[in-house]
Amino acid sequence: GQNIDQPTEMTATEGAIVQINCTYQTSGFNGLFWYQQHAGEAPTFLSYNVLDGLEEKGRFSSFLSRSKGYSYLLLKELQMKDSASYLCAVGDTGFQKLVFGTGTRLLVSP
Amino acid sequence: DSGVTQTPKHLITATGQRVTLRCSPRSGDLSVYWYQQSLDQGLQFLIQYYNGEERAKGNILERFSAQQFPDLHSELNLSSLELGDSALYFCASSVEGLNTQYFGPGTRLTVL
Repeated sequence: GQNIDQPTEMTATEGAIVQINCTYQTSGFNGLFWYQQHAGEAPTFLSYNVLDGLEEKGRFSSFLSRSKGYSYLLLKELQMKDSASYLCAVGDTGFQKLVFGTGTRLLVSP
Repeated sequence: DSGVTQTPKHLITATGQRVTLRCSPRSGDLSVYWYQQSLDQGLQFLIQYYNGEERAKGNILERFSAQQFPDLHSELNLSSLELGDSALYFCASSVEGLNTQYFGPGTRLTVL
């Protein structure tokens, strides 16, 4: 089966750092993906981890531990425009399917 | 702009009707995926096509069908529409061998 868990909602202040966690239990694994989705808009690709460790990309970093079935997305120097939903997804083996969590809604306040 | 296009942007129709949503993948992408996202719900995978062939099926209702044409564009057909089918429908595409998917802007379907 496929199970991906992430917090439903988080709040943070402009300029701060926030960490969004994701745990997963899936029958196959071909990478862990993070997407950002503003309300009513398309998800946009943020990061991809297939090996354990930290991947840094500007203000955003993503970490993966395959043995623990755990990932997090770290957002630094938060800006108001970072208010959005952040979707954790696991790549399925074989046919490149992505299995998405329900997303974490992040609200950044001044 | 992801390079994936979807039409129409908005669609309003009545229960019992049939609609067709269209998607054109990024240039060079052979895989097309369809997702449904209801209000405050996660992305639900519906179906995947690769180079014209159905490759994977998710929670797609029997009233829904899809196909991918030789020019690689795809259509999602929704019939006997119900109020609960109101949702955002996204199409995504990817390169063979990589899972990273790029999403189109979506079609917002409202069934009245």
